[in-house]
Amino acid sequence: SQKIEQNSEALNIQEGKTATLTCNYTNYSPAYLQWYRQDPGRGPVFLLLIRENEKEKRKERLKVTFDTTLKQSLFHITASQPADSATYLCAPGNNFNKFYFGSGTKLNVKP
Amino acid sequence: DAGITQSPRHKVTETGTPVTLRCHQTENHRYMYWYRQDPGHGLRLIHYSYGVKDTDKGEVSDGYSVSRSKTEDFLLTLESATSSQTSVYFCATSDGAGYEQYFGPGTRLTVT
Repeated sequence: SQKIEQNSEALNIQEGKTATLTCNYTNYSPAYLQWYRQDPGRGPVFLLLIRENEKEKRKERLKVTFDTTLKQSLFHITASQPADSATYLCAPGNNFNKFYFGSGTKLNVKP
Repeated sequence: DAGITQSPRHKVTETGTPVTLRCHQTENHRYMYWYRQDPGHGLRLIHYSYGVKDTDKGEVSDGYSVSRSKTEDFLLTLESATSSQTSVYFCATSDGAGYEQYFGPGTRLTVT
């Protein structure tokens, strides 16, 4: 069965630095991959989607890469701010009826 | 934000009792989903709907049933609640034009 792995340990970085989060998947060939942000006590919020034929996608301070050979996606937040502190979930997918989420990586940005 | 509400937001119930959670959306989205979120497991899909009266199972559907009689409402029923169903339940919707999902605020269910 498919397996999605995100670093379960929290990532602690200093304000202004670039945060890099990793999502690895196995036994799966997704056509796209999504990233979501989740704050404590709230539902996830969609951030970015990257398709299998796209190597990189950017949105403001966010950048996502998708390497189908390595079966990996990297999520970067540049010039990180304390307000970026949250848990980030990756979700590879193929269609509208099968979504698989990783368990998320907690990011702590210290001022 | 998509207008998605969940009710109740918190519930404590006893083992063996039936429980129904409600998800209501005002966005006219075609797809609706129920997930549970547990520490170490992330979000796991329970059931989803691709239209009124059209539903299908997700990866952890045992012990759960769903119904969708109107576009805006998607109900999740625990037929006989067990302690293993203690979790936070999230409803999500998608318009079908893109793959992004919009999540509700969640329902924290405790089965004692």
